[in-house]
Amino acid sequence: GQSLEQPSEVTAVEGAIVQINCTYQTSGFYGLSWYQQHDGGAPTFLSYNALDGLEETGRFSSFLSRSDSYGYLLLQELQMKDSASYFCAVRGYSGAGSYQLTFGKGTKLSVIP
Amino acid sequence: DSGVTQTPKHLITATGQRVTLRCSPRSGDLSVYWYQQSLDQGLQFLIQYYNGEERAKGNILERFSAQQFPDLHSELNLSSLELGDSALYFCASSGEDSQETQYFGPGTRLLVL
Repeated sequence: GQSLEQPSEVTAVEGAIVQINCTYQTSGFYGLSWYQQHDGGAPTFLSYNALDGLEETGRFSSFLSRSDSYGYLLLQELQMKDSASYFCAVRGYSGAGSYQLTFGKGTKLSVIP
Repeated sequence: DSGVTQTPKHLITATGQRVTLRCSPRSGDLSVYWYQQSLDQGLQFLIQYYNGEERAKGNILERFSAQQFPDLHSELNLSSLELGDSALYFCASSGEDSQETQYFGPGTRLLVL
């Protein structure tokens, strides 16, 4: 099976940088994804890392270290609209030729003025 | 707008009843996923269909069933409803090799009284 750990809440100041960490345990690891969900909204895909290193997409970057079973999402130049929950997710082999995406419990980011 | 549609948006029903949630994937996407999101359990994977066939099964109760039709829309049937089934139910879709990148619909909020 798969399990993920991420902080439940993070608060940061507008314009600052924040890092949301995620550690995972999984069998048959294939990659780490990040999703954003605003209150009352649907999760939206942010990034995916299959290989070690940093992937940058605008103000958001995601990092993966497979040897440490660890990744993080880095948000720069924080804006008020970045206040949301952020989920890490791993695609792991779940048996019988099938895979599934398992989500962490989410980190609620509050951006304050 | 992700391109994934779900109906209904809200559903209020009584314990013991049966309901059907409907999902239409993005144009061209063959995979449909169903998730349950509740406050204490986070986003839980229920089941995946790919081009009409069941591809992966997660923590789906025996009282729940799903299917994907030839036009690729999917339905999730929840029966013998209990208070604990109250949650947000999301449908997501992805292309053939993009399980990590899933596009979520707006969700159906189910309240069982």
